[in-house]
Amino acid sequence: EVQLLESGGGLVQPGGSLRLSCAASGFTFTSYDMNWVRQAPGKGLEWVSTISGGGTATYYGDSVKGRFTISRDNSKNTLFLQMNSLRVEDTAVYYCARRRATFDSWGQGTLVTVSS
Amino acid sequence: QSALTQPASVSGSPGQSITISCTGTSSDVGGYIYVSWYQQHPGKAPKLMIYEVSNRPSGVPDRFSGSKSGNTASLTISGLQAEDEADYYCSSYTSTNTLLFGGGTKLTVL
Repeated sequence: EVQLLESGGGLVQPGGSLRLSCAASGFTFTSYDMNWVRQAPGKGLEWVSTISGGGTATYYGDSVKGRFTISRDNSKNTLFLQMNSLRVEDTAVYYCARRRATFDSWGQGTLVTVSS
Repeated sequence: QSALTQPASVSGSPGQSITISCTGTSSDVGGYIYVSWYQQHPGKAPKLMIYEVSNRPSGVPDRFSGSKSGNTASLTISGLQAEDEADYYCSSYTSTNTLLFGGGTKLTVL
């Protein structure tokens, strides 16, 4: 059974940093691009970032480019999102999702709240 | 990166059919088969319902179907059931190696 378990969310002040993790199990981790998708309270889904299976290619949405860094540790089947220079508008539930042409499995999400 | 355009809400009675549209451009919806649809119930993670325009993952009822014409994709739900009440999102791969979601459509089963 595919499982994706996010962790690392919490309350952080504007300008602060946070590192999210996503532990994957039940599938061959390196065979999939991995992604972060977020959802602000009461709002729609927003793609944040993608990393290729081998970790050599990364892509970012315009709203986080230059502030967020996606990475993965294939030896530990874990995905990361390093979030720096956080803004109030980054407040959201952050989902980890695997993708091969489509987001076919999602974690339950971790809440990030940016507030003073 | 503007979101794909979906109606904010649709509604239908049990047993009826509804269609949700998702409009993009030739650089996303119109240019690729990688259009998907997701169902999200309140407080839950999204669930994949349709991938590559019209394919259903295992376990998704055949009441759910997808199609595309030009820059607009559509999700049709036939034989509406109470449990279909949820938010629905489309997504598409884009020409800049990014992903776009629609703004979401709230389906109400009357």
